[in-house]
Amino acid sequence: EADIYQTPRYLVIGTGKKITLECSQTMGHDKMYWYQQDPGMELHLIHYSYGVNSTEKGDLSSESTVSRIRTEHFPLTLESARPSHTSQYLCASSEYRQAPGSPLHFGNGTRLTVT
Amino acid sequence: DQQVKQNSPSLSVQEGRISILNCDYTNSMFDYFLWYKKYPAEGPTFLISISSIKDKNEDGRFTVFLNKSAKHLSLHIVPSQPGDSAVYFCAAPNRDDKIIFGKGTRLHILP
Repeated sequence: EADIYQTPRYLVIGTGKKITLECSQTMGHDKMYWYQQDPGMELHLIHYSYGVNSTEKGDLSSESTVSRIRTEHFPLTLESARPSHTSQYLCASSEYRQAPGSPLHFGNGTRLTVT
Repeated sequence: DQQVKQNSPSLSVQEGRISILNCDYTNSMFDYFLWYKKYPAEGPTFLISISSIKDKNEDGRFTVFLNKSAKHLSLHIVPSQPGDSAVYFCAAPNRDDKIIFGKGTRLHILP
């Protein structure tokens, strides 16, 4: 069963629109992440958070922004969508004080297409 | 520069036979390695991990082997089943605790 939820699952939107991808987890995890993945490519970390009011940019430059006002909620916003933003966006979470090598828990992703 | 490399984009294996997925890494500081499995339109799910102090970890049909001197690890699935058809990602946390993923290998289990 999914303990981390992403909505919408699929989104087709026109260029220039503002969009917010939702991510919520019910596990009480402090750490949350956004990854971007294109077919046949690795997952790239675009944002992460260690807890409420903590947000950091990841290794891949992204024009998106995130917020972390509540532990369980980590939305990602694109102010002005472009075709280059077409991708799959994956949200994940983990415990802050986790054992080394503990896995991330992923949501089912949002597949975004910008026309 | 890719720190975790999966050089085979795809692999086809007969049902019942052994599937071997390979992964190479460049960062000798990696302490743990993880394998994730991903079905289309779903998020990755954790499969199995191995600590750098071990050379083998087994969980049911899945075994991961680690060769530190060669900076190489492999995931063995035996016997392969139709439900094993998926994309498999090799991953490792760096010292900042960020997970570095490979590009994945798509495994096709043939009937």
